[in-house]
Amino acid sequence: QVQLVQSGAEVKKPESSVKVSCKASGGTFSSYAISWVRQAPGQGLEWIGGIIPIFGTTNYAQKFQGRVTITADESTSTAYMELSSLRSEDTAVYYCARGHYGILTDTFDIWGQGTMVTVSS
Amino acid sequence: EIVLTQSPATLSLSPGKRATLSCRASQSVSSYLAWYQQKPGQAPRLLIYDASNRATGIPARFSGSGSGTDFTLTISSLEPEDSAVYYCQQRSNWPTFGGGTKVEIK
Repeated sequence: QVQLVQSGAEVKKPESSVKVSCKASGGTFSSYAISWVRQAPGQGLEWIGGIIPIFGTTNYAQKFQGRVTITADESTSTAYMELSSLRSEDTAVYYCARGHYGILTDTFDIWGQGTMVTVSS
Repeated sequence: EIVLTQSPATLSLSPGKRATLSCRASQSVSSYLAWYQQKPGQAPRLLIYDASNRATGIPARFSGSGSGTDFTLTISSLEPEDSAVYYCQQRSNWPTFGGGTKVEIK
């Protein structure tokens, strides 16, 4: 069974960048899409964007375009999400999630454990 | 962007009762709607995909229905462990999530 294991918590200064990793183990990585979803404290879920590693195809929510970059390294079965120009409103738990059908407009059947990113001066 | 509106915001019921959660889309999403369960401190867990298909390992007391703009998640007989926040999510366009319904077990 595929598992997604994310990197640890981060504390960042405003205007800096953060890069979160998501490593897949126990199954095929490249043929599925990996999306990133965030959840601010006490709030709901928000899709940031996704990637299909085998094609390198990406798409981002309009809200994050220009500020987010999602990449994948097939050799290590790891996906990355980098968010720049951080502000306090970016404080959230960031999840990676595998797409059920392997497309970017997908349902998410496997989730990472989440990475807390705190933006504070 | 397709907006998903969930109701009620909170549902408080006794064990063994039937819970009915609603999700309404701002435009048709066909059957491309999923439901997730999230407990405090945990990642979301997929319950239902494509409106009515139970995900692997999900108990039969969870069922989904609907198409177009109106969808329902039903928990036929509540168990104490069903206390959680439930989210709907559409994949007809770029993914969006509803605001969630909190289910409390009395």
